[in-house]
Amino acid sequence: GAVVSQHPSWVICKSGTSVKIECRSLDFQATTMFWYRQFPKQSLMLMATSNEGSKATYEQGVEKDKFLINHASLTLSTLTVTSAHPEDSSFYICSAAGSMNTEAFFGQGTRLTVV
Amino acid sequence: DQQVKQNSPSLSVQEGRISILNCDYTNSMFDYFLWYKKYPAEGPTFLISISSIKDKNEDGRFTVFLNKSAKHLSLHIVPSQPGDSAVYFCAASAGLGGAQKLVFGQGTRLTINP
Repeated sequence: GAVVSQHPSWVICKSGTSVKIECRSLDFQATTMFWYRQFPKQSLMLMATSNEGSKATYEQGVEKDKFLINHASLTLSTLTVTSAHPEDSSFYICSAAGSMNTEAFFGQGTRLTVV
Repeated sequence: DQQVKQNSPSLSVQEGRISILNCDYTNSMFDYFLWYKKYPAEGPTFLISISSIKDKNEDGRFTVFLNKSAKHLSLHIVPSQPGDSAVYFCAASAGLGGAQKLVFGQGTRLTINP
């Protein structure tokens, strides 16, 4: 299957700072990328969908000014958590799909801890 | 509103036996269903999928059954192996293709006992 790399795999930051998470498709062009959030023992909740070169589409209840998503190229999308607070601590996962893919491929996830 | 539900948070099965994981959905617009396997602190790995035009899809030890009238799907793993121990998520989308938004269930933790 296609490879999606997410970086960093874990990060600890101080409250009030911003954190950037990268999601790269290594061997295919990702026309669409998704960002999910997973709380412990819960489902993956879709935060936003981004298409290359377009503004991201956010799900209801997700603050677009807090979770900045950039999909500037066909192989890279970034999620920036701005002014992070302890309640933003979670597991963030991206997935990516090309125009010919029948399913999206997931990155390894990023464990964010805000202290 | 939980559109995709996995009502069993955990399941324990003896090695070599069949594991059956269940999933129910409520949205009639869903027509493509997927199963993912996930280990802790890792992203989900795609296992198998089924389109609503089928009622069964098989891939090696994994078989997915779809009952559209009941809005129910299940994943069968036979024979179960210790390496199958993980959390399994079912997901649904309205439309085929990786660019479609997925709605996930809550997951079922499968433990295979030697």
